[in-house]
Amino acid sequence: SQQGEEDPQALSIQEGENATMNCSYKTSINNLQWYRQNSGRGLVHLILIRSNEREKHSGRLRVTLDTSKKSSSLLITASRAADTASYFCATFQENTGNQFYFGTGTSLTVIP
Amino acid sequence: NAGVTQTPKFRVLKTGQSMTLLCAQDMNHEYMYWYRQDPGMGLRLIHYSVGEGTTAKGEVPDGYNVSRLKKQNFLLGLESAAPSQTSVYFCASSNYEQYFGPGTRLTVT
Repeated sequence: SQQGEEDPQALSIQEGENATMNCSYKTSINNLQWYRQNSGRGLVHLILIRSNEREKHSGRLRVTLDTSKKSSSLLITASRAADTASYFCATFQENTGNQFYFGTGTSLTVIP
Repeated sequence: NAGVTQTPKFRVLKTGQSMTLLCAQDMNHEYMYWYRQDPGMGLRLIHYSVGEGTTAKGEVPDGYNVSRLKKQNFLLGLESAAPSQTSVYFCASSNYEQYFGPGTRLTVT
């Protein structure tokens, strides 16, 4: 399987704290994306980082990418109860027919 | 602008029955994808399409067929349903990022 792996599988924090999730993958990529999934819903795109970028910000989200280690991290700052969801990384590789490869996800619980 | 829609939202099938899941997108995307999501397994790609009239196999294609006769629609068919196909099915369309439908929860008894 070419799936990525997220770490940790589950994370529980207090509101206001920061949450960090990590993603490791196996092959070279064109870009890496992070998605959020609320319970019972479809996935929603959060942020995309290209293979030649090292860091990207979007609001309270900060994503880093280390292609030498084949890893990425997602930081959510000042978490809110509404951030409670599962978070998935997905790698995109053009040379495999424009397929996305999703990790197994991190389940984040933010306690009010 | 509805984005990506999926029909039906829920379905219960008996083993051996057939059904078709419909995905429609109104964003003029070339790429469309069908995934299944099982607990602890993340999303696994079943089939995908890079344009009207094209389809390709993903990671777990066995037991499924697809068709993309129109650019906006991507159909997923189960010819003879098996309990192992009990899952939540998601359709997505894409330019550089993926837009997902709300999912179809399928139970095969």
